[in-house]
Amino acid sequence: NAGVTQTPKFRILKIGQSMTLQCTQDMNHNYMYWYRQDPGMGLKLIYYSVGAGITDKGEVPNGYNVSRSTTEDFPLRLELAAPSQTSVYFCASSNSGTTNTGELFFGEGSRLTVL
Amino acid sequence: GNSVTQMEGPVTLSEEAFLTINCTYTATGYPSLFWYVQYPGEGLQLLLKATKADDKGSNKGFEATYRKETTSFHLEKGSVQVSDSAVYFCALSEAGSARQLTFGSGTQLTVLP
Repeated sequence: NAGVTQTPKFRILKIGQSMTLQCTQDMNHNYMYWYRQDPGMGLKLIYYSVGAGITDKGEVPNGYNVSRSTTEDFPLRLELAAPSQTSVYFCASSNSGTTNTGELFFGEGSRLTVL
Repeated sequence: GNSVTQMEGPVTLSEEAFLTINCTYTATGYPSLFWYVQYPGEGLQLLLKATKADDKGSNKGFEATYRKETTSFHLEKGSVQVSDSAVYFCALSEAGSARQLTFGSGTQLTVLP
């Protein structure tokens, strides 16, 4: 009954460091998303994927990269961390096709601080 | 582009008070509308949804009606409980957009005993 699992839950980075936020889902969903949540700003879409091997930019992709080699996994990479990337990151997934109700299933979030 | 405007918080109510959180939207097509809730330390979870005009979504005593003429989807509950304390997000998605959600900024609700 795992759903969407994100790791790590917390991380502190120094400016210029790199890291990968991991996301995996066990619901066989085709669609996966990365959002960031800044205080008072709601959630902004970073990248999304409609299936293995397919990714596309969202509203705020700069400074991030993603890959989707399997249906289950959708890691988010920060290459050169900057203070502006301090945020809470949420991975989400949803099914596709006629059974799609538009509901997204979210992980618990990863809180990243860049100092 | 699409956008969602939510009533700014924080909102503080006493237990059993009536709750309204306003939400209006701008969309190019015919979106589906959602309310998500985020409890402290957790991810977002779907509270209710409506997929076409005049639909009413309901769950856990919360209701919202899709009003196309006023482009609104206000969240209401007749009698709030302390356990309803959370952040509430209004959101929309359009068909053909890979079900990307556009979120409002969120409204923090605190219910006092």
